Amino acid sequence: DTEVTQTPKHLVMGMTNKKSLKCEQHMGHRAMYWYKQKAKKPPELMFVYSYEKLSINESVPSRFSPECPNSSLLNLHLHALQPEDSALYLCASSQDYTSGYEQYFGPGTRLTVT
Amino acid sequence: GQNIDQPTEMTATEGAIVQINCTYQTSGFNGLFWYQQHAGEAPTFLSYNVLDGLEEKGRFSSFLSRSKGYSYLLLKELQMKDSASYLCAVRGDTGFQKLVFGTGTRLLVSP
Repeated sequence: DTEVTQTPKHLVMGMTNKKSLKCEQHMGHRAMYWYKQKAKKPPELMFVYSYEKLSINESVPSRFSPECPNSSLLNLHLHALQPEDSALYLCASSQDYTSGYEQYFGPGTRLTVT
Repeated sequence: GQNIDQPTEMTATEGAIVQINCTYQTSGFNGLFWYQQHAGEAPTFLSYNVLDGLEEKGRFSSFLSRSKGYSYLLLKELQMKDSASYLCAVRGDTGFQKLVFGTGTRLLVSP
Protein backbone atom coordinates (compact mmCIF):
# COMPACT_ATOMS: atom_id res chain seq x y z
CA ASP A 1 0.00 0.00 0.00
CA THR A 2 1.71 3.16 -1.24
CA GLU A 3 -1.24 5.43 -0.77
CA VAL A 4 -1.78 8.66 1.08
CA THR A 5 -5.45 9.49 1.49
CA GLN A 6 -6.97 12.89 2.13
CA THR A 7 -10.46 13.98 3.06
CA PRO A 8 -12.45 15.84 1.99
CA LYS A 9 -11.63 16.15 -1.73
CA HIS A 10 -13.34 19.51 -1.94
CA LEU A 11 -14.23 22.01 0.77
CA VAL A 12 -16.04 25.33 0.60
CA MET A 13 -16.01 27.39 3.77
CA GLY A 14 -16.86 30.87 4.90
CA MET A 15 -14.38 33.14 6.60
CA THR A 16 -15.94 32.54 10.01
CA ASN A 17 -16.08 28.74 9.74
CA LYS A 18 -13.90 26.16 11.46
CA LYS A 19 -13.04 23.05 9.47
CA SER A 20 -10.38 20.35 9.40
CA LEU A 21 -8.49 18.57 6.65
CA LYS A 22 -7.45 14.98 7.27
CA CYS A 23 -4.59 12.90 5.94
CA GLU A 24 -3.76 9.24 6.51
CA GLN A 25 -1.01 6.86 5.46
CA HIS A 26 -0.34 3.24 6.40
CA MET A 27 3.15 2.86 4.96
CA GLY A 28 4.87 3.20 8.33
CA HIS A 29 6.31 6.55 7.28
CA ARG A 30 7.60 8.70 10.12
CA ALA A 31 7.60 12.06 8.35
CA MET A 32 4.43 13.83 7.20
CA TYR A 33 3.99 17.14 5.45
CA TRP A 34 1.42 19.79 4.55
CA TYR A 35 1.88 21.76 1.34
CA LYS A 36 -0.19 24.54 -0.20
CA GLN A 37 -0.41 24.77 -3.98
CA LYS A 38 -1.95 27.64 -5.93
CA ALA A 39 -2.92 27.20 -9.57
CA LYS A 40 0.03 26.82 -11.93
CA LYS A 41 2.48 27.18 -9.04
CA PRO A 42 4.67 24.59 -7.32
CA PRO A 43 3.78 23.18 -3.91
CA GLU A 44 4.89 25.36 -1.00
CA LEU A 45 5.86 23.68 2.25
CA MET A 46 3.77 24.64 5.27
CA PHE A 47 4.56 22.12 8.03
CA VAL A 48 6.70 19.05 8.63
CA TYR A 49 6.11 16.46 11.32
CA SER A 50 8.89 14.03 12.10
CA TYR A 51 8.15 11.18 14.51
CA GLU A 52 4.89 12.92 15.43
CA LYS A 53 6.62 16.14 16.46
CA LEU A 54 6.34 19.43 14.61
CA SER A 55 9.77 20.02 13.10
CA ILE A 56 9.15 22.79 10.59
CA ASN A 57 6.60 25.60 10.54
CA GLU A 58 7.26 27.78 7.51
CA SER A 59 5.95 30.92 9.18
CA VAL A 60 2.39 29.86 8.46
CA PRO A 61 -0.36 32.13 9.87
CA SER A 62 -1.94 30.86 13.07
CA ARG A 63 -5.31 30.43 11.33
CA PHE A 64 -3.75 27.14 10.12
CA SER A 65 -3.13 24.72 12.98
CA PRO A 66 -1.56 21.30 12.32
CA GLU A 67 -1.98 18.25 14.49
CA CYS A 68 -0.44 14.79 14.38
CA PRO A 69 -2.54 12.50 16.62
CA ASN A 70 -0.45 9.42 15.78
CA SER A 71 2.11 8.22 13.27
CA SER A 72 -0.52 7.52 10.60
CA LEU A 73 -2.68 10.62 10.85
CA LEU A 74 -2.16 14.28 10.13
CA ASN A 75 -4.78 16.99 10.48
CA LEU A 76 -4.87 20.62 9.45
CA HIS A 77 -7.36 22.72 11.43
CA LEU A 78 -8.65 25.81 9.69
CA HIS A 79 -10.20 28.85 11.34
CA ALA A 80 -11.00 32.37 10.14
CA LEU A 81 -9.45 31.84 6.74
CA GLN A 82 -9.17 34.49 4.05
CA PRO A 83 -10.19 34.19 0.39
CA GLU A 84 -6.49 34.18 -0.58
CA ASP A 85 -6.14 30.89 1.33
CA SER A 86 -8.13 29.17 -1.41
CA ALA A 87 -5.78 26.56 -2.87
CA LEU A 88 -5.06 22.86 -3.20
CA TYR A 89 -3.76 21.50 0.11
CA LEU A 90 -1.51 18.50 -0.31
CA CYS A 91 -0.45 16.05 2.35
CA ALA A 92 2.68 13.96 1.82
CA SER A 93 4.66 11.38 3.73
CA SER A 94 8.12 9.86 3.52
CA GLN A 95 9.89 7.03 5.27
CA ASP A 96 12.02 9.44 7.22
CA TYR A 97 12.97 13.07 7.07
CA THR A 98 16.41 12.42 5.65
CA SER A 99 17.81 12.63 2.16
CA GLY A 100 17.02 10.04 -0.45
CA TYR A 101 13.49 9.22 0.64
CA GLU A 102 10.89 10.37 -1.82
CA GLN A 103 7.69 11.94 -0.63
CA TYR A 104 4.39 10.30 -1.49
CA PHE A 105 1.60 12.80 -2.05
CA GLY A 106 -2.09 12.47 -1.40
CA PRO A 107 -4.67 13.64 -3.97
CA GLY A 108 -5.20 16.90 -2.11
CA THR A 109 -8.13 18.89 -0.78
CA ARG A 110 -9.29 21.72 -2.99
CA LEU A 111 -10.28 24.49 -0.60
CA THR A 112 -12.41 27.49 -1.52
CA VAL A 113 -12.87 30.27 1.02
CA THR A 114 -15.85 32.52 0.37
CA GLY B 1 18.67 31.75 -0.78
CA GLN B 2 17.10 29.15 -2.99
CA ASN B 3 16.61 29.56 -6.72
CA ILE B 4 15.43 26.77 -8.99
CA ASP B 5 14.75 27.50 -12.66
CA GLN B 6 12.88 25.46 -15.23
CA PRO B 7 11.34 26.41 -18.58
CA THR B 8 7.69 27.32 -18.16
CA GLU B 9 6.31 25.34 -21.08
CA MET B 10 7.47 22.85 -23.68
CA THR B 11 5.74 21.11 -26.55
CA ALA B 12 6.68 17.87 -28.24
CA THR B 13 5.25 15.26 -30.56
CA GLU B 14 4.13 11.77 -29.67
CA GLY B 15 7.00 9.30 -30.06
CA ALA B 16 9.68 11.99 -29.78
CA ILE B 17 12.28 12.64 -27.09
CA VAL B 18 12.17 15.71 -24.85
CA GLN B 19 14.67 17.07 -22.35
CA ILE B 20 13.49 19.27 -19.47
CA ASN B 21 16.26 21.26 -17.83
CA CYS B 22 16.56 22.44 -14.24
CA THR B 23 19.22 24.75 -12.86
CA TYR B 24 19.53 25.47 -9.18
CA GLN B 25 21.32 27.67 -6.69
CA THR B 26 20.60 26.51 -3.17
CA SER B 27 22.02 26.64 0.33
CA GLY B 28 23.90 23.39 0.07
CA PHE B 29 22.77 20.31 -1.82
CA ASN B 30 21.55 16.96 -0.60
CA GLY B 31 19.65 15.50 -3.51
CA LEU B 32 17.40 16.41 -6.45
CA PHE B 33 13.98 14.92 -7.18
CA TRP B 34 11.78 15.00 -10.26
CA TYR B 35 8.01 14.74 -9.88
CA GLN B 36 5.22 14.52 -12.46
CA GLN B 37 1.93 16.27 -11.80
CA HIS B 38 -1.15 15.95 -13.99
CA ALA B 39 -3.62 18.82 -13.79
CA GLY B 40 -5.68 18.63 -10.62
CA GLU B 41 -3.79 15.63 -9.29
CA ALA B 42 -1.05 15.00 -6.76
CA PRO B 43 2.64 15.01 -7.73
CA THR B 44 4.08 11.53 -8.28
CA PHE B 45 7.75 10.66 -7.80
CA LEU B 46 9.81 10.01 -10.93
CA SER B 47 13.49 10.02 -9.98
CA TYR B 48 16.15 10.94 -7.45
CA ASN B 49 19.77 11.99 -8.06
CA VAL B 50 22.33 12.74 -5.39
CA LEU B 51 25.55 11.82 -7.25
CA ASP B 52 26.65 13.10 -10.64
CA GLY B 53 25.55 11.07 -13.60
CA LEU B 54 22.57 9.50 -15.27
CA GLU B 55 19.79 7.49 -13.61
CA GLU B 56 17.59 5.52 -15.99
CA LYS B 57 14.11 4.21 -15.29
CA GLY B 58 12.33 2.86 -18.34
CA ARG B 59 11.36 5.74 -20.63
CA PHE B 60 12.55 8.30 -18.09
CA SER B 61 16.14 9.27 -17.30
CA SER B 62 17.51 11.99 -15.05
CA PHE B 63 20.95 13.53 -15.09
CA LEU B 64 22.77 15.56 -12.46
CA SER B 65 25.89 17.74 -12.48
CA ARG B 66 26.47 19.11 -9.01
CA SER B 67 29.38 21.33 -10.06
CA LYS B 68 27.15 23.05 -12.62
CA GLY B 69 24.00 23.12 -10.47
CA TYR B 70 22.19 21.43 -13.33
CA SER B 71 19.85 18.53 -13.90
CA TYR B 72 17.67 17.33 -16.73
CA LEU B 73 14.81 14.90 -17.13
CA LEU B 74 14.77 13.00 -20.41
CA LEU B 75 11.53 11.48 -21.62
CA LYS B 76 11.73 9.04 -24.52
CA GLU B 77 9.01 7.61 -26.79
CA LEU B 78 6.61 10.30 -25.67
CA GLN B 79 2.99 9.34 -25.14
CA MET B 80 -0.06 11.56 -24.89
CA LYS B 81 -0.37 10.68 -21.21
CA ASP B 82 3.02 12.33 -20.60
CA SER B 83 1.31 15.72 -20.97
CA ALA B 84 1.72 17.06 -17.44
CA SER B 85 3.79 19.42 -15.32
CA TYR B 86 7.27 18.26 -14.35
CA LEU B 87 8.63 19.58 -11.08
CA CYS B 88 12.29 19.72 -10.14
CA ALA B 89 12.83 19.78 -6.37
CA VAL B 90 16.10 20.27 -4.51
CA ARG B 91 16.94 19.34 -0.97
CA GLY B 92 19.40 21.56 0.86
CA ASP B 93 21.88 20.35 3.43
CA THR B 94 21.38 23.02 6.05
CA GLY B 95 18.77 23.44 8.69
CA PHE B 96 16.14 20.79 8.35
CA GLN B 97 16.96 19.97 4.72
CA LYS B 98 13.59 20.88 3.37
CA LEU B 99 12.59 20.16 -0.22
CA VAL B 100 12.19 23.24 -2.41
CA PHE B 101 10.26 22.91 -5.66
CA GLY B 102 10.98 24.71 -8.89
CA THR B 103 8.15 26.44 -10.74
CA GLY B 104 7.55 23.39 -12.92
CA THR B 105 7.54 22.81 -16.67
CA ARG B 106 4.23 22.20 -18.42
CA LEU B 107 4.75 19.66 -21.18
CA LEU B 108 2.20 19.31 -23.95
CA VAL B 109 2.47 16.22 -26.14
CA SER B 110 0.63 16.46 -29.44
CA PRO B 111 -0.28 13.68 -31.89
